[in-house]
Amino acid sequence: GESVGLHLPTLSVQEGDNSIINCAYSNSASDYFIWYKQESGKGPQFIIDIRSNMDKRQGQRVTVLLNKTVKHLSLQIAATQPGDSAVYFCAETDSWGKLQFGAGTQVVVTP
Amino acid sequence: NAGVTQTPKFQVLKTGQSMTLQCAQDMNHEYMSWYRQDPGMGLRLIHYSVGAGITDQGEVPNGYNVSRSTTEDFPLRLLSAAPSQTSVYFCASSSEGTANEKLFFGSGTQLSVL
Repeated sequence: GESVGLHLPTLSVQEGDNSIINCAYSNSASDYFIWYKQESGKGPQFIIDIRSNMDKRQGQRVTVLLNKTVKHLSLQIAATQPGDSAVYFCAETDSWGKLQFGAGTQVVVTP
Repeated sequence: NAGVTQTPKFQVLKTGQSMTLQCAQDMNHEYMSWYRQDPGMGLRLIHYSVGAGITDQGEVPNGYNVSRSTTEDFPLRLLSAAPSQTSVYFCASSSEGTANEKLFFGSGTQLSVL
């Protein structure tokens, strides 16, 4: 899962396996959540978003799950590929409607 | 379609110098914002704008100024650079009206202050 600090959590995944990246959020009133992917030297790239009135949303090879009871968000990547190696950020809206970003999880895809 | 364009990509400043980071978007987005990214930390909001002529402070605004004279441009000014401002800066815009959802990010400016 995500945490604040100098060392990012790392998820090592074998090519072809499914990846699950976890995120714990703090604001129970958040109504919007979003996942970004950031490759080295590039800006964050939108992956998928979900509103609090949904539990699950699917995109191309990605699924976001939202568990409001335990304030947990996850991103599932199916059939992980080398191009999926990146840092993944979750973000939630804060009490003022502004996005608050987590520190990120480094995903490393191994052959 | 260029999206969000930031210049320069790299910059080195001496303490006390001033400079402007440029940001332009060609998607006619009303919402634009600036973030800084430090190692091991999430993106932190510096300033944002919900439309031309309107700006507001984010989480870490001290030492930075912004203006929004057109829909397309949102420059970030460092008034007197300090080593604590060494960071990677990202500009972002949103297609969701004035909301900061589904942000589109530029490729970033890496700034070092000596």
